[in-house]
Formats: sequence, C-alpha cells, structure tokens
Amino acid sequence: DAKTTQPNSMESNEEEPVHLPCNHSTISGTDYIHWYRQLPSQGPEYVIHGLTSNVNNRMASLAIAEDRKSSTLILHRATLRDAAVYYCILRGTGSARQLTFGSGTQLTVLP
Amino acid sequence: GAGVSQSPSNKVTEKGKDVELRCDPISGHTALYWYRQSLGQGLEFLIYFQGNSAPDKSGLPSDRFSAERTGGSVSTLTIQRTQQEDSAVYLCASSLSGVPYNEQFFGPGTRLTVL
Repeated sequence: DAKTTQPNSMESNEEEPVHLPCNHSTISGTDYIHWYRQLPSQGPEYVIHGLTSNVNNRMASLAIAEDRKSSTLILHRATLRDAAVYYCILRGTGSARQLTFGSGTQLTVLP
Repeated sequence: GAGVSQSPSNKVTEKGKDVELRCDPISGHTALYWYRQSLGQGLEFLIYFQGNSAPDKSGLPSDRFSAERTGGSVSTLTIQRTQQEDSAVYLCASSLSGVPYNEQFFGPGTRLTVL
C-alpha cells in the first residue's frame, strides 16, 4: 500500500472543528482512504473511509482532494473524548489485506 | 451485537515459557488479523486469515510465533519460548471479508509482559 504523511501532533479547543490532514501523493486509482483512531489504552477504532467522493458519517467527514493526493478528516465539534492518535491508511486491491499503520497524528483537545 | 473479544486481557509470563492468546471474532466475519503494539510504538501486522485460504504469515517476526484459526472462527496466537522483546499488546481484528473497503473491528487486546 502507498505511503501516507501526517503531522505528528495537533491541538484543538473543545467544541471547535478540527481538520486533520493527510498527504498520499503516490495513491493509486484503486486505493481506498481509511481513517482509524486509537484512544489511550484501547484498540484502534474505525472512523471513516472513502474512494473519490467526500464522505460523511456520524463520527466525522472525509474531504478528498480532486487529484486524490491528499485528504482531510474533519471532526465538526471536538470533544475531550476525541483526544486520540488518528491514522490515515491507504488500502488497495493488491495482495496485502492488513492495515499498515504509520505514526499517525496525536490530537490533543483542550478544555 | 458482540464485538471482538480477546483473552486473557493481561498475561505475565517468564522468559522461555510458551503463551497462547485467544481471539473471538465477530460472528460471520471471514477475515481475521493479528497485530501487535510495543510500548510507544505503532501497530505491526502479524498474520491474516481469510476464510479457508492459507493464512498470510508475512508479518510473523520469527518461527517462535504461530497462529491457527479453527472452524473459521476462533483464533489462537502462540508464542513459544517467549523473550522480553515479545512484551507488547497483541490486538486481534476481524472484518466481513478482506476487501479494502471493509472496516476492521478491533478487540481490546492482550497485554503480554515477559519477565
């Protein structure tokens, strides 16, 4: 799977929107963009995924650039419970089926 | 419904002993994955099962590690002759299938400490 680049850390104030960026300049046409998060002392949790179009679910929104070389995870109103490491992961149709986790973005939410 | 469960939640063992870690995936999920996360490190893939196909063992760090999945459901990860560097949280995940648009559901993990 292609590589992703994320900032090591970000801060946000509670109740404000958070935009978490991810660069994936070598993405292939069949790669899905997945976001997972890992809260302290817990296993990773699926957040959202998309292929080409922007996606919304109850947890977040995913904005995908037109050329698909970058994407942004949007938390509309950050809460203290959103403090976690957020991982942007590409999953393609190749032989590898596992998730390949990078170092992710540590999100700190300030009260 | 029930999520992925793992047992034990914590395991402390002495160097050189064998350990078995268990994973119960979500019912109906044909794909099952094992990962591990060492302290302060990222998640590392270990092994992947998909239905009755031969497992993808490409992530196993040594031949001391093995895993099986019985009846397409429960999986056991076995570590023989444990070493201190095996200390980590071992995470199991399952998904409906291995296709790239299926989400993976993770269990709470087993924290293994090798003394």
